[in-house]
Amino acid sequence: RKEVEQDPGPFNVPEGATVAFNCTYSNSASQSFFWYRQDCRKEPKLLMSVYSSGNEDGRFTAQLNRASQYISLLIRDSKLSDSATYLCAVTFNTNAGKSTFGDGTTLTVKP
Amino acid sequence: EAGVVQSPRYKIIEKKQPVAFWCNPISGHNTLYWYRQNLGQGPELLIRYENEEAVDDSQLPKDRFSAERLKGVDSTLKIQPAELGDSAVYLCASSLGWSGGTDTQYFGPGTRLTVL
Repeated sequence: RKEVEQDPGPFNVPEGATVAFNCTYSNSASQSFFWYRQDCRKEPKLLMSVYSSGNEDGRFTAQLNRASQYISLLIRDSKLSDSATYLCAVTFNTNAGKSTFGDGTTLTVKP
Repeated sequence: EAGVVQSPRYKIIEKKQPVAFWCNPISGHNTLYWYRQNLGQGPELLIRYENEEAVDDSQLPKDRFSAERLKGVDSTLKIQPAELGDSAVYLCASSLGWSGGTDTQYFGPGTRLTVL
């Protein structure tokens, strides 16, 4: 079993839709959590960190559920420009500084 | 502020040839990472440096891969000899450093390696 798992999708949604991605992690000692966005043939770029209390940035909301060991990303009012692959990353405090990435979830927003 | 710089952006070589990738991190970032990303997968850590010290190289195939960060700034990753399975994107990332809290990594554009 991978340390970090994501549903690869693809998720195909119409503009304006709300879509949610989950990412599960196996190590309960995980400490830091991130969502990255990666466009085709580009590098990953940080979308948002995920805090225990949850956090929101415009149309994007990230949640952490430590009990069930997953993080989620909610995108409201999807735009065509949201089409990308979304990677989750988890840092384990047993190996400080090492982030393990999921394989990403691909989102396509269609007109 | 300049981001992480990597070169070359693309490299095509024949198997058994050597290849080297260069990375210059964001100024002031003490931690430098080399990742390999295969198509359809997430980045996989190869090696992590804290200044000039390699603190995690457990995933680096040491029989053919080597890396250095001599002055604690820029870094070189080398493969010798390259194999067909080494075709991938090699990403460099940097961060301010682990302080027990969150540590945001910033990625360079990557080097796309094709081994023929």
